[in-house]
Amino acid sequence: NAGVMQNPRHLVRRRGQEARLRCSPMKGHSHVYWYRQLPEEGLKFMVYLQKENIIDESGMPKERFSAEFPKEGPSILRIQQVVRGDSAAYFCASSPRDIQAGTEAFFGQGTRLTVV
Amino acid sequence: AQTVTQSQPEMSVQEAETVTLSCTYDTSESDYYLFWYKQPPSRQMILVIRQEAYKQQNATENRFSVNFQKAAKSFSLKISDSQLGDAAMYFCAYTNAGKSTFGDGTTLTVKP
Repeated sequence: NAGVMQNPRHLVRRRGQEARLRCSPMKGHSHVYWYRQLPEEGLKFMVYLQKENIIDESGMPKERFSAEFPKEGPSILRIQQVVRGDSAAYFCASSPRDIQAGTEAFFGQGTRLTVV
Repeated sequence: AQTVTQSQPEMSVQEAETVTLSCTYDTSESDYYLFWYKQPPSRQMILVIRQEAYKQQNATENRFSVNFQKAAKSFSLKISDSQLGDAAMYFCAYTNAGKSTFGDGTTLTVKP
């Protein structure tokens, strides 16, 4: 059973370009969470999705950021018109059910976005 | 809003000795879950141990154990018989309503 797969592992974008980060959850997992980690900081919650639904996006910036988890295919975190402050490691985690029930969320290895 | 505080940015321990990493949190909820994650240089987030708030018994996983004090909102991690492979960043996390709040981490150095 493959773990949570994120790609690419490293992504370099120029200011103003779009960044697309992909996350394939573990098999059988229908809950996906995105987190952002700035240097020397902990992970900050961004968004929680189930298949075709956004459950909680309270951590998402209001502009330029969007996330989806379609019925088929990976979850996508999209950042439009990137700026240098978007440079960070973005982690995806998945769980078979809501982690409020105490289920462990399994993390991918992250995508390191660098905006130049 | 929930907050998680790790007051020790860096800690060091001699190999084979014991070290305790501290974590406090703030919440008005009664049901929640607490986790410790390890993040080595590879950046992979690895679950170390978890604790359900409704359980009074402290969780234990081999050399790792917690001291969970619900009234004090404290959740410290004890690592016994420290090994070189334990060197990493450790994050405490509070989980409720589908999302986790992480502390800023403690960097643990293990000296041979």
